[in-house]
Amino acid sequence: NAGVMQNPRHLVRRRGQEARLRCSPMKGHSHVYWYRQLPEEGLKFMVYLQKENIIDESGMPKERFSAEFPKEGPSILRIQQVVRGDSAAYFCASSLGQRHSGNTIYFGEGSWLTVV
Amino acid sequence: EDQVTQSPEALRLQEGESSSLNCSYTVSGLRGLFWYRQDPGKGPEFLFTLYSAGEEKEKERLKATLTKKESFLHITAPKPEDSATYLCAVPAGANNLFFGTGTRLTVIP
Repeated sequence: NAGVMQNPRHLVRRRGQEARLRCSPMKGHSHVYWYRQLPEEGLKFMVYLQKENIIDESGMPKERFSAEFPKEGPSILRIQQVVRGDSAAYFCASSLGQRHSGNTIYFGEGSWLTVV
Repeated sequence: EDQVTQSPEALRLQEGESSSLNCSYTVSGLRGLFWYRQDPGKGPEFLFTLYSAGEEKEKERLKATLTKKESFLHITAPKPEDSATYLCAVPAGANNLFFGTGTRLTVIP
């Protein structure tokens, strides 16, 4: 499967725990995006990364959320001290080049986080 | 502020009953309009990108069109497997897409 791979697909955390979501982009893609989809809401941009660099984190909550895309390995979206409002589907996407250069963004199947 | 509005929110069609979904946008200097399909529990699947008014693209029973203010996704003779939520999106800044809330399409056999 050469698509965007996300894991885990489903994650349950108690309030106050940490959630780590992983994303491997499509083969050959070095641009990664994270989006969040809250129940009954549209997809919202969170962060855009290239290898070892956060390019745009304008959609990221200021506290408890962080993202990285190391030189080796998958991109990680980390949520510390989760609260019930963090329950959502988190989608990773990737592109071959920069979106504004006309590159298509392809999405993974998502990670569903439930905070109990 | 850039906005994307999709209508209707939900649409039920009989199999074979053609219809159109609408995506209205208020974006200065449109740099592409994107259509995705999303099945329940899955990620958005890319369908089309349109860049200029008058442009049309087709894929099987789907045809997307673009004007200066809106885009239509025409579905011809739909089948039950076309049931999904259809999302449109426009660029927001250099790096991300602003998505509408989607049209949930149900095609009844």
